[in-house]
Amino acid sequence: QKEVEQNSGPLSVPEGAIASLNCTYSDRGSQSFFWYRQYSGKSPELIMFIYSNGDKEDGRFTAQLNKASQYVSLLIRDSQPSDSATYLCVGGGGTSYGKLTFGQGTILTVHP
Amino acid sequence: NAGVMQNPRHLVRRRGQEARLRCSPMKGHSHVYWYRQLPEEGLKFMVYLQKENIIDESGMPKERFSAEFPKEGPSILRIQQVVRGDSAAYFCASSPPPNQDTQYFGPGTRLTVL
Repeated sequence: QKEVEQNSGPLSVPEGAIASLNCTYSDRGSQSFFWYRQYSGKSPELIMFIYSNGDKEDGRFTAQLNKASQYVSLLIRDSQPSDSATYLCVGGGGTSYGKLTFGQGTILTVHP
Repeated sequence: NAGVMQNPRHLVRRRGQEARLRCSPMKGHSHVYWYRQLPEEGLKFMVYLQKENIIDESGMPKERFSAEFPKEGPSILRIQQVVRGDSAAYFCASSPPPNQDTQYFGPGTRLTVL
């Protein structure tokens, strides 16, 4: 059974700081990883995806994947109060394409 | 380009009634997925459909739940004889071919069973 574990949180950082979110996964067959942001009462919003080992940067966001350690992370630079949300680490691919496995989420609060 | 559309956004049913939730994928997307988010829990996969085909229903409860994606019209998630434990947010997502894993979510339907 695929599992995605998000161990950190809730996380509180000051405005302008770097927020670091982490997760681990158990299915070595997983090929793709995603970070979604979910505001309270809203639907998940895709913010990053990563398929290859290493770093991927998009604006203030950097996703990191280490398949050997089965570890995924998301860094948010220059955090803003509007970044306050629940961040969901998600695994996909492997033998069950289309079936995403969601972590339980990390609540991030950015305080002014 | 409109996003994934779901209706109704809120649905109230009494125990024993039927609930029908609708989802129209993004334009150009031919894959539809349904997920359920119970209160204070994470999202759980329910079913993956393409037009007229169920690809993976491994997350669907064995009884009372069914899903379809007909040739014409939206995808429907149907819950018969609802119980209070069915109260949750039901999200539909869609993806473009051939990348089934990059999924975009609709606003969700909040089902409340009285």
